[in-house]
Amino acid sequence: GAGVSQSPSNKVTEKGKDVELRCDPISGHTALYWYRQSLGQGLEFLIYFQGNSAPDKSGLPSDRFSAERTGGSVSTLTIQRTQQEDSAVYLCASSSETSGAMTQYFGPGTRLLVL
Amino acid sequence: DAKTTQPPSMDCAEGRAANLPCNHSTISGNEYVYWYRQIHSQGPQYIIHGLKNNETNEMASLIITEDRKSSTLILPHATLRDTAVYYCIVRGNSGGSNYKLTFGKGTLLTVNP
Repeated sequence: GAGVSQSPSNKVTEKGKDVELRCDPISGHTALYWYRQSLGQGLEFLIYFQGNSAPDKSGLPSDRFSAERTGGSVSTLTIQRTQQEDSAVYLCASSSETSGAMTQYFGPGTRLLVL
Repeated sequence: DAKTTQPPSMDCAEGRAANLPCNHSTISGNEYVYWYRQIHSQGPQYIIHGLKNNETNEMASLIITEDRKSSTLILPHATLRDTAVYYCIVRGNSGGSNYKLTFGKGTLLTVNP
């Protein structure tokens, strides 16, 4: 079946502008995650949604970052007043909350460049 | 999550088996061994995971030692498209903040023609 999809694949914006990044998880997956990966760096957790529970926003780096998940499916990550240090690859993953291991499946990412 | 140790790089000839080692000597009883890979400029790709028993799927085999302190990912017939950074991670099952994945440095596998 279809994997996790993200859009846009690339985004170039000017400092101070707002951007919206979209994630479509695998159908039926109840858990959704956002990470970012800066050049040559590891994964940085941003936010986790699970069903109707309150999301874990502990990884959001500042109040300029927010995310929502409508109808338990599609998620949007919004970055307001972008800064150059926001430049990174933003990755979305989803998983099926079954017992035992929670395998996360990643999308291709959105490459954000803030000029 | 338990710490893992992987060699920084490995080479493999196309068509041969690639055996990627991982040490995880501090793994606890309920932690799984996961392998992901990341091909340049792409998102991480799940490969395989296991708890105690050896596992095999269409992509690879995972061999876990009896004491669970190390494991080996085997790509039976490596192709040029398998060139990527391979990450071995150990993590618990659902509960707590086990869902926060972190990757270490991984092993850069280069498959040569």
